Amino acid sequence: DTAVSQTPKYLVTQMGNDKSIKCEQNLGHDTMYWYKQDSKKFLKIMFSYNNKELIINETVPNRFSPKSPDKAHLNLHINSLELGDSAVYFCASSQDNAGGVETQYFGPGTRLLVL
Amino acid sequence: GDSVTQMEGPVTLSEEAFLTINCTYTATGYPSLFWYVQYPGEGLQLLLKATKADDKGSNKGFEATYRKETTSFHLEKGSVQVSDSAVYFCALSGGGSYIPTFGRGTSLIVHP
Repeated sequence: DTAVSQTPKYLVTQMGNDKSIKCEQNLGHDTMYWYKQDSKKFLKIMFSYNNKELIINETVPNRFSPKSPDKAHLNLHINSLELGDSAVYFCASSQDNAGGVETQYFGPGTRLLVL
Repeated sequence: GDSVTQMEGPVTLSEEAFLTINCTYTATGYPSLFWYVQYPGEGLQLLLKATKADDKGSNKGFEATYRKETTSFHLEKGSVQVSDSAVYFCALSGGGSYIPTFGRGTSLIVHP
């Protein structure tokens, strides 16, 4: 069974379009995250939710909006896509963000290419 | 704020060579320290971790010791294999903030 799953795995789209990426975890974790990884493998945290509540919101353009319908799901919607949004987006989850000491479990990634 | 510094890669080794990837950190408080590995085309996965000073994390022949006095968590393996080729990330959490902090990653390439 896949612990953290993301869809789609690949996403190719035109500039200006709106797209969504979905994430689900079946580990029963309380906290979920979105990361962006650039072509040099640099990993940047974007958002984190704990029990459906936004707790981390790093410097990310307003075009990115996370949504957590329940604690097992965290989706990422991107409006007006730009070339610079091309990257690999990873979802992750952990048991509890209290003190942030828990191991994170990562999904397989969504490879977004904006043309 | 918290930060993690890793040696730049790529690190290129022959099979059975000894591996060290350096990692140092800056944090207030007492963070937990992690090494994650990312194989090509995959997400990150935990390799090992240590939650307090002098703890040694180990897995799959890799080891790292939490050194508070030198604020370091260097990754070592005595004999690397081609299958160890991947990107390795040092990370911390539970330091001064609740935001997990990752290093920039170090690419390891192992030749037969």
